[in-house]
Amino acid sequence: DTEVTQTPKHLVMGMTNKKSLKCEQHMGHRAMYWYKQKAKKPPELMFVYSYEKLSINESVPSRFSPECPNSSLLNLHLHALQPEDSALYLCASSVHRDTYNEQFFGPGTRLTVL
Amino acid sequence: AQTVTQSQPEMSVQEAETVTLSCTYDTSESDYYLFWYKQPPSRQMILVIRQEAYKQQNATENRFSVNFQKAAKSFSLKISDSQLGDAAMYFCAYRSGSSQAGTALIFGKGTTLSVSS
Repeated sequence: DTEVTQTPKHLVMGMTNKKSLKCEQHMGHRAMYWYKQKAKKPPELMFVYSYEKLSINESVPSRFSPECPNSSLLNLHLHALQPEDSALYLCASSVHRDTYNEQFFGPGTRLTVL
Repeated sequence: AQTVTQSQPEMSVQEAETVTLSCTYDTSESDYYLFWYKQPPSRQMILVIRQEAYKQQNATENRFSVNFQKAAKSFSLKISDSQLGDAAMYFCAYRSGSSQAGTALIFGKGTTLSVSS
């Protein structure tokens, strides 16, 4: 299984809603990433988990709350978002101690905040 | 800090022709990795090709090859025999040579490639 899966594919939420994005991989990767991508822009790194511990937080607002319950699963909890948070949210994973640490990307969740 | 520059926001090519996408980077590190990722419209980002900085030989993957010029800090992607399916946004990315899990990628701004028949 060389796949990173993300659910849901699309999400529309109001500014007062609470929702969660889910990412899963079964490749034994021990690093997992959340990126935010606006249209026609490169992905912007939000968070990195290494061995289920948060290792990088790129000064992301607290309305985004990541969680890594186990080595295969990564969640992103959303609360009180703003319309400018509308974007494609990508999850990625990479293996530890591999020469390239190539990142495998999921298909993304397209989020719209009304 | 490392930076990645893609100076061509858009490129176009005809089917069966060859096109080269440019990428330059800036780093003071001697150990690093470079990647080209492809993101078709509304589809998943996938790795096209990768290069270790310590390898002088240019990487190739079927119709995709790179011209890696370490001294010039240049890493261009050549696509030969272009196909309609090659139409996508292409991102050049840099990663520090650390073997630690969770080392972040630094992306360029991307080049949108269109392919015409």
